[in-house]
Amino acid sequence: GEDVEQSLFLSVREGDSSVINCTYTDSSSTYLYWYKQEPGAGLQLLTYIFSNMDMKQDQRLTVLLNKKDKHLSLRIADTQTGDSAIYFCAESDTGFQKLVFGTGTRLLVSP
Amino acid sequence: DGGITQSPKYLFRKEGQNVTLSCEQNLNHDAMYWYRQDPGQGLRLIYYSQIVNDFQKGDIAEGYSVSREKKESFPLTVTSAQKNPTAFYLCASSIRRTSGSLNEQFFGPGTRLTVL
Repeated sequence: GEDVEQSLFLSVREGDSSVINCTYTDSSSTYLYWYKQEPGAGLQLLTYIFSNMDMKQDQRLTVLLNKKDKHLSLRIADTQTGDSAIYFCAESDTGFQKLVFGTGTRLLVSP
Repeated sequence: DGGITQSPKYLFRKEGQNVTLSCEQNLNHDAMYWYRQDPGQGLRLIYYSQIVNDFQKGDIAEGYSVSREKKESFPLTVTSAQKNPTAFYLCASSIRRTSGSLNEQFFGPGTRLTVL
């Protein structure tokens, strides 16, 4: 079955760039997603990338996709304390409705 | 305001009791989902429903039940058969997706269930 893996923690200083990595197993995924979860809250979609793209940029966010290695990354430029949260990558399964989520990476931004 | 509401935010129950978690959406979405979140394990899918009066088991359905009698509502019952029910439960909804299309899910704020 599908499996999505992430490292559990990342700590950076305010103003630095953060890079959160994700590996997945389903090569037929059509979309890959990054969701953000703030403490005690639900998830919000941050950005997504279609599988035929290598890169997508959206303001401070850059998503890189390496389909050959099944590797996805999210780069946050000029990281702020408000970026502290858990970041989940997810893939759409080959069926209709399921998203498969990674374990989440907790990003801690210190002043 | 359109969105998803879950109530209550915190819920405490004694072991052996069934408990029902509420999820309501006014986004006119056909599909709804229940996830369980445990530390270090990410989100795991419990049940999902693509349309009213229809639902499918997810990856960890044992000990849970759902109903989908109305488009807006998808309540989850945690039964006494669920061996480790203490967790954070998240409800989500989306438009009904066709194969290969974008699946943006909108999440509620979650319910933290503690079984004593």
